[in-house]
Amino acid sequence: AQSVTQPDIHITVSEGASLELRCNYSYGATPYLFWYVQSPGQGLQLLLKYFSGDTLVQGIKGFEAEFKRSQSSFNLRKPSVHWSDAAEYFCAVGLTNNDMRFGAGTRLTVKP
Amino acid sequence: DAGVTQSPTHLIKTRGQQVTLRCSPISGHKSVSWYQQVLGQGPQFIFQYYEKEERGRGNFPDRFSARQFPNYSSELNVNALLLGDSALYLCASSLSLGTETQYFGPGTRLLVL
Repeated sequence: AQSVTQPDIHITVSEGASLELRCNYSYGATPYLFWYVQSPGQGLQLLLKYFSGDTLVQGIKGFEAEFKRSQSSFNLRKPSVHWSDAAEYFCAVGLTNNDMRFGAGTRLTVKP
Repeated sequence: DAGVTQSPTHLIKTRGQQVTLRCSPISGHKSVSWYQQVLGQGPQFIFQYYEKEERGRGNFPDRFSARQFPNYSSELNVNALLLGDSALYLCASSLSLGTETQYFGPGTRLLVL
């Protein structure tokens, strides 16, 4: 079955520490891949996307993600987390953009 | 340029009532999609409209319907509301179909009592 899995429901990191949020997908072909961030009470903001080409994608706010076909993964990383990064992060995939499937999300808490 | 706008921001209804949610896309965007986000979960796809035609539908009952107007704005209607319809309803717009990136509005939070 087609699915998007974010294994970590909640992650806590200290400000200034590095961050990696995991995302795995299960689809027959290489889908289009996205990471969105949602602050409390807000809509979703696109961080980055992967359609094809270079498997290391740079996004806004210092985030990057790496597509690994062999592992069906698209993990999000940031070298140094800021307190303002505390939010909910969603990985999403789409075979076409008509139907975008989201993971359940990972809530990030940043300790001072 | 203004982003995607949605109205109202919050809404309280009782079971059995009907609700209409509104969305205005980014200027120049011709596609609008609707998502339901239940508390603690990721958004779930409901509909996509492009050039006033339905181009995609998620696994939602017929109580959910939508339409897109000539100015590309859209309405989502939900009839016979159930408690389980309580959620954040998100609208997203994109330039067209296919590989276009979707930009999300702030959502309408619906509470059904």
